[in-house]
Amino acid sequence: RKEVEQDPGPFNVPEGATVAFNCTYSNSASQSFFWYRQDCRKEPKLLMSVYSSGNEDGRFTAQLNRASQYISLLIRDSKLSDSATYLCVVNPSNFGNEKLTFGTGTRLTIIP
Amino acid sequence: DADVTQTPRNRITKTGKRIMLECSQTKGHDRMYWYRQDPGLGLRLIYYSFDVKDINKGEISDGYSVSRQAQAKFSLSLESAIPNQTALYFCATSDYPDREGTGELFFGEGSRLTVL
Repeated sequence: RKEVEQDPGPFNVPEGATVAFNCTYSNSASQSFFWYRQDCRKEPKLLMSVYSSGNEDGRFTAQLNRASQYISLLIRDSKLSDSATYLCVVNPSNFGNEKLTFGTGTRLTIIP
Repeated sequence: DADVTQTPRNRITKTGKRIMLECSQTKGHDRMYWYRQDPGLGLRLIYYSFDVKDINKGEISDGYSVSRQAQAKFSLSLESAIPNQTALYFCATSDYPDREGTGELFFGEGSRLTVL
């Protein structure tokens, strides 16, 4: 089993729709979790951290389910500019980035 | 200008050649990293450095070496390139993690290397 697993997609979603995708992780001792966004042929950029209580940033909501070992990302009222690959990132530590595990990404395309 | 700059952005080379990828940053971060990205695989850590006197191997360091010339500069070398080192390489920096443990990574724009 991969340490971090994501559905590669592609998810083709009409503009304005709501889309959600999950990421599962195998290390139950994982401490911190993130979603990074990567546009085609560009560098990854932090979208949001995922906190135990769940967190929201505008149209984006991230949730953590420790019991089932997954994190989720919900995008409401999707925009064309949301088209990208979303990388799930899991950290077994709270003290550095040396052990980060990156998922392979979920590709999202928003259709006009 | 980008805060994390990589050169070259694209390079095609032949098996056995020595290649250096350079990274410089203006973010003032002590921590710097080199990753590679391959289709169907997540980003994997090659080397990382916490300061100019601290170099550490990552998950896939074989066939690579690094040099931290200054706080702002971190270079990755392939002494004798081979085709399976064809990949997209990213340099990244981070500050010391805050109490939330985020320590956001800031990536360069990437260096696409093709080894024939």
